[in-house]
Amino acid sequence: AQTVTQSQPEMSVQEAETVTLSCTYDTSENNYYLFWYKQPPSRQMILVIRQEAYKQQNATENRFSVNFQKAAKSFSLKISDSQLGDTAMYFCAFMKKMTGYALNFGKGTSLLVTP
Amino acid sequence: DAGVIQSPRHEVTEMGQEVTLRCKPISGHDYLFWYRQTMMRGLELLIYFNNNVPIDDSGMPEDRFSAKMPNASFSTLKIQPSEPRDSAVYFCASTGTVSDTGELFFGEGSRLTVL
Repeated sequence: AQTVTQSQPEMSVQEAETVTLSCTYDTSENNYYLFWYKQPPSRQMILVIRQEAYKQQNATENRFSVNFQKAAKSFSLKISDSQLGDTAMYFCAFMKKMTGYALNFGKGTSLLVTP
Repeated sequence: DAGVIQSPRHEVTEMGQEVTLRCKPISGHDYLFWYRQTMMRGLELLIYFNNNVPIDDSGMPEDRFSAKMPNASFSTLKIQPSEPRDSAVYFCASTGTVSDTGELFFGEGSRLTVL
């Protein structure tokens, strides 16, 4: 079974600063997806960014980017120019490509953006 | 599209009562997932369906839990009898093989409290 570890239960960052959330995973698979989902206080799960394992180039979505290190099985999320609206739980998730899209989630990191 | 629709949004019940949670996936999606979120265990996959057929129910905690998908636009998760340890947020999510992005679209969740 695949495990996803987020070692930072809580983090805080000041508005406009940059913060990096860490995630490591354990798998013997070679073909998979990795995701970061955001869960604001409203409880809605929102996709932030996705990465396909076969792509060496790190994914970027506006202020959000990842550092994908396949050999190290590491998938960190960098948030640049943090905004108050980024305050949320952030979940790292793993999907084995041939298993019908079932996601394995980490325990999450609670991010607080302060003024 | 209206997104994944779950009901009820909140449910408070007494131990021993039957609880039914409902989900309408996004039209055209052929995968449907039920997740449970608790502080202690994070997000756990309970069961998922493909084309209305249960594919993996290994995450269903015990026989008190059952899930059905009678058609492509409706699924239920039933707990009978309910226990206080079932208190959690239950999420339904859907995705489609046509897009094959791996992104799961989540409903807003049903918060269950069993007294």
